[in-house]
Amino acid sequence: AQKVTQAQTEISVVEKEDVTLDCVYETRDTTYYLFWYKQPPSGELVFLIRRNSFDEQNEISGRYSWNFQKSTSSFNFTITASQVVDSAVYFCALSEAQGYSTLTFGKGTMLLVSP
Amino acid sequence: DAGVTQSPTHLIKTRGQQVTLRCSPKSGHDTVSWYQQALGQGPQFIFQYYEEEERQRGNFPDRFSGHQFPNYSSELNVNALLLGDSALYLCASSWGQGIYEQYFGPGTRLTVT
Repeated sequence: AQKVTQAQTEISVVEKEDVTLDCVYETRDTTYYLFWYKQPPSGELVFLIRRNSFDEQNEISGRYSWNFQKSTSSFNFTITASQVVDSAVYFCALSEAQGYSTLTFGKGTMLLVSP
Repeated sequence: DAGVTQSPTHLIKTRGQQVTLRCSPKSGHDTVSWYQQALGQGPQFIFQYYEEEERQRGNFPDRFSGHQFPNYSSELNVNALLLGDSALYLCASSWGQGIYEQYFGPGTRLTVT
């Protein structure tokens, strides 16, 4: 069975600090996909990134970067120079290749960025 | 380009009643998935519809049922409501049979009293 663990329940930082959100996953499949979603207070989940299991290259998008390490089954998310607008709950999710895009989510990490 | 829309936004029901939630997928998407998100938890997969058929189902009882219409919109029905059904119900749409990112709607907040 697949599982996603986000051990950090809540993180508080001051604006402009860098912050890393951890994600550890479990799956028996060799082909799978990992995702990060952001959920602001409005409730709507916003897609951030999708990564397949064969692509271990790190990715950077503006202030966001992702570190995928198959050896440790981790897919961590770093926000550089955090801003108040980054305050939200962030979810890591896993989809197995045979799962028709259905997602298994972690419990989420609430990020609070104060001015 | 309209995103995923859901109705209603909020709903209050009494134990034992039945409820229907509605979802319209993002333009160009043909697959609709439903998720239940309890307070403080991650979303949990309920089921997925593709070509008007239930393609996959999560660990939810038969009280939870759904439907997909020819225009790809979908309904989620919950019978015999329990207090534990109180949650945010999220609809997500995607395209085809590959593993593509799902786009989520704003959700329906269901409160069962």
